[in-house]
Amino acid sequence: GNSVTQMEGPVTLSEEAFLTINCTYTATGYPSLFWYVQYPGEGLQLLLKATKADDKGSNKGFEATYRKETTSFHLEKGSVQVSDSAVYFCALGGAGSYQLTFGKGTKLSVIP
Amino acid sequence: NAGVTQTPKFRVLKTGQSMTLLCAQDMNHEYMYWYRQDPGMGLRLIHYSVGEGTTAKGEVPDGYNVSRLKKQNFLLGLESAAPSQTSVYFCASSPDRGRLTTPQETQYFGPGTRLLVL
Repeated sequence: GNSVTQMEGPVTLSEEAFLTINCTYTATGYPSLFWYVQYPGEGLQLLLKATKADDKGSNKGFEATYRKETTSFHLEKGSVQVSDSAVYFCALGGAGSYQLTFGKGTKLSVIP
Repeated sequence: NAGVTQTPKFRVLKTGQSMTLLCAQDMNHEYMYWYRQDPGMGLRLIHYSVGEGTTAKGEVPDGYNVSRLKKQNFLLGLESAAPSQTSVYFCASSPDRGRLTTPQETQYFGPGTRLLVL
């Protein structure tokens, strides 16, 4: 079946540091890949997505590239801000499926 | 647009009590979902619906029932609550993607319902 593995948290960074959150997946076919962000006390919201190999999703300075050869979709940001403190979820939407499969989430705290 | 709304925001139940969580969306989305979020577990799908009058089981359906009588509403019921159902429940919706072979659409989430079962 489909599965998503993302790096364990929590991750604590200083403001303006570089961020990488690793995400790898297992799936048959060509899934869609997503990063969702959850701010404290809120629901999840889409951060970025990619629907085919070598696609790069980007939003608010975050980027992730769909790498089929390494089955990865790592999230990166060049300079994090305090307002980026949140929980980040990698998710997979399998071909032929209605469901999203989520990773366990990575909590990011950015300190001034 | 309000997007996806959930009621109530917070509820405390005693073991054995029943309740219904309501999800409403105003985006005319065809698909709707119920998830639960537990610490260290990510989100797990409980039930979902691909259209008015249809429902299907997700990953963790036991102890829950759902109904989709109107396209804009998706109800999650707990007939006899148990402490293991203490969780945060999220509803989501997404547009119809047509063929299953097309890429999945973005899901839009509600703010969540926090449920405590004593």
